[in-house]
Amino acid sequence: EAGVTQSPTHLIKTRGQQATLRCSPISGHTSVYWYQQALGLGLQFLLWYDEGEERNRGNFPPRFSGRQFPNYSSELNVNALELEDSALYLCASSQDGRNYGYTFGSGTRLTVV
Amino acid sequence: KNEVEQSPQNLTAQEGEFITINCSYSVGISALHWLQQHPGGGIVSLFMLSSGKKKHGRLIATINIQEKHSSLHITASHPRDSAVYICAVEASGSRLTFGEGTQLTVNP
Repeated sequence: EAGVTQSPTHLIKTRGQQATLRCSPISGHTSVYWYQQALGLGLQFLLWYDEGEERNRGNFPPRFSGRQFPNYSSELNVNALELEDSALYLCASSQDGRNYGYTFGSGTRLTVV
Repeated sequence: KNEVEQSPQNLTAQEGEFITINCSYSVGISALHWLQQHPGGGIVSLFMLSSGKKKHGRLIATINIQEKHSSLHITASHPRDSAVYICAVEASGSRLTFGEGTQLTVNP
């Protein structure tokens, strides 16, 4: 069974540009979660999507947005990139997080120059 | 004060030693997770706990809900155990709050 896959692995963007990160959950998982891990900082919750709807959102500005597609894959979009957006972005999926836990992808490392 | 506090921040051990990493939290939770992050960033979920104790191979995780405290133990540590170990709590809304992580280095 394929795990949670994220693409691209690495992404370099210029300040002010937009970045799009993608995540494919494990087959059968309907929930996708996005987390940011900035250099030297801990993981921060970004977004939770379930059944195509945004269910919860962390303390991030509106330029961080995303969506979940009918096949449960998800996109994270970051608009008007700032230098401090440089981070590892991790995606996780679950069938039902509270009962079955989470499976994480390997992440996308975004560098803003 | 962070909602989730881990100790120690860094831990160096010799191969074979028994290792304990601690996690304290300040909010009511529905579950606590222990995660392992290797260089490069990939995260592996080790345990999900809501009470008691779980064991998987050389890893043991315990939680005391009343004291809001959890421990991760590694028996007979090995250099391949070297990684960052992260405690995360789940309070509401399927939203994980993470500790800062413990960097473990096991020397041969």
